[in-house]
This record gives sequence, C-alpha cells and structure tokens, in this order.
Amino acid sequence: EDKVVQSPLSLVVHEGDTVTLNCSYEVTNFRSLLWYKQEKKAPTFLFMLTSSGIEKKSGRLSSILDKKELFSILNITATQTGDSAIYLCAVANNAGNMLTFGGGTRLMVKP
Amino acid sequence: NAGVTQTPKFRILKIGQSMTLQCTQDMNHNYMYWYRQDPGMGLKLIYYSVGAGITDKGEVPNGYNVSRSTTEDFPLRLELAAPSQTSVYFCASSQRDRGNTEAFFGQGTRLTVV
Repeated sequence: EDKVVQSPLSLVVHEGDTVTLNCSYEVTNFRSLLWYKQEKKAPTFLFMLTSSGIEKKSGRLSSILDKKELFSILNITATQTGDSAIYLCAVANNAGNMLTFGGGTRLMVKP
Repeated sequence: NAGVTQTPKFRILKIGQSMTLQCTQDMNHNYMYWYRQDPGMGLKLIYYSVGAGITDKGEVPNGYNVSRSTTEDFPLRLELAAPSQTSVYFCASSQRDRGNTEAFFGQGTRLTVV
C-alpha cells in the first residue's frame, strides 16, 4: 500500500521567516510527487517532481525530490501571511490511476 | 473555461437519506476522482475512473457508488447516509498521458449527516 507522511503536522512562523516542509513516501513504481496548497477550498497545484536533484522554483517557493531517500522538501522563503495554508504532498505510481495524499502540513504565518 | 465544477457546495442530510454529488469537467480529461477530506486530514480516495464506462474503488469506497456514463460527468452517490460520511468531498480530474499527473480539483462539497 502506498504511503505518504508529511511533517511537521503544523507550523507557526512570523513573516519573513523561511520554512521547510517535509514529505516522505513509500510507493510501488514511483511516477511523480506533487505539492498542493490548500487554503479555504480546493487544493491548487504547486509543483510536480519526477527526477531527483532537480529543483523546481516558483517565486519564493521551491521544491526538490530525493528518489534514493524517498522524500521531498518544499521551501518557502520570506514567508508572508498569504502563505498560510495547508500544504499537501501526493505521490502517483506507474499503475497511474491515483494520487496518494499525505496528511498535510498546516502553516500559519503571523504578521 | 470552468474546469471542474461540483454541486452542491453545502448539504445537510439526515441519517438514512440518499443524495448525489455532481461533478463535471470541461477539459476532456480521461481520469476523474472523488476524494473525501476529514478535518485536519489529507485526502482519501473514494472512487476513480479512467474513462467513460470504467470505474474502480479507491481507499474508502464503502457507502458510496459512482458512475461514468460520459467523459464529462462523474457523480458520487450516497445511498444511506451515515454520520461517518460527514466530510468535505472533492472531485478532481486529470489527463494521464505524456507523464502528466497533475490533478485539477473542484471547489468541494461540505456534507453534514445528522
């Protein structure tokens, strides 16, 4: 059974801080790892990672995958209150049919 | 382009009632999914479909049924609502080819069973 574990469960920081969110996984026939941001409603897509060691970057957010150690990190630099959300990690396998989600990390950024 | 549309947004059901959560997508995606999200938790897969006429169970299918008669629509049916089905339900779709696995989500349906 595929499994995704995220840590920490929750995190409170102040604006300007840098945070690192962790995602470890066990999956048969790994295909890709995805990060989503969930504010009040539907998750919105951030990154898809398929290759080890290649950093994906979008503004203050970046993510990298380590397929040997079976984990990924999501970094947010110079955090803003608008970064407050639940961050979800999911993995897809080559059976191709479903995403397995982790429990999420709840990030709160205080002014 | 509407993306993935779910209705209703909110619903309160009494124990034993039935209802259908509607989901439609206009992106011609082949894959569609239903997830539920309990408070403070990640998403758990209920059912999914790889194309019209094909459905399969996910992690937590008990108490639910689905159908996929068209590419666009993937309704989720609750036959005998139970308090354990109180949750937020998300429908999603994706086009699973050329290595793409990104899923697009609807805005969710908050269901309370009392």
